[in-house]
Amino acid sequence: NAGVMQNPRHLVRRRGQEARLRCSPMKGHSHVYWYRQLPEEGLKFMVYLQKENIIDESGMPKERFSAEFPKEGPSILRIQQVVRGDSAAYFCASSPRGETTDTQYFGPGTRLTVL
Amino acid sequence: AQSVTQLDSQVPVFEEAPVELRCNYSSSVSVYLFWYVQYPNQGLQLLLKYLSGSTLVKGINGFEAEFNKSQTSFHLRKPSVHISDTAEYFCAVTLIQGAQKLVFGQGTRLTINP
Repeated sequence: NAGVMQNPRHLVRRRGQEARLRCSPMKGHSHVYWYRQLPEEGLKFMVYLQKENIIDESGMPKERFSAEFPKEGPSILRIQQVVRGDSAAYFCASSPRGETTDTQYFGPGTRLTVL
Repeated sequence: AQSVTQLDSQVPVFEEAPVELRCNYSSSVSVYLFWYVQYPNQGLQLLLKYLSGSTLVKGINGFEAEFNKSQTSFHLRKPSVHISDTAEYFCAVTLIQGAQKLVFGQGTRLTINP
């Protein structure tokens, strides 16, 4: 019974490069959430997706960041032209129905380091 | 908008001592409340959640939390901690109605000393 999978676990990029973070939700879950954890801070919501739809992207920076959850395959968080301030842990969570009573199950995270 | 304040950034305690991690929230509408634990270099794991009913909620690993609506608090407690409880603990809320996004506090680092 695999949990939420994220890869890579660690990603190092130089300034100006692109970062692609992948998230496979738990089996049977079609709702995915991305959160960012900056050093010494709590998690901040970024985006909420269902299959092929962005439901809420109120936490996404307006530029350079995008997310998708295609019909087939994992959800992707893409950061273009990374800057040092993008260095953080990025967590993906999934839930079965997208209801507020649901528990969100978190993956182990991707730790992005921008040199 | 909702906000969550965890009043202590670090809490050191001795093994087998009781512990309380404090959480206060602010919201103009009703919320559900959660406590998550994050072990080093791992993702978050749900400890417990309050949706409705009894204000005392029991979770995994011997933890419990009490919802106090008048004080807008949801403090986490354990009567006797173990070394393995060393971790970061996050309090979070979500709206009862609306988008299911969690709003987290800053976290409390619990350190258990032998």
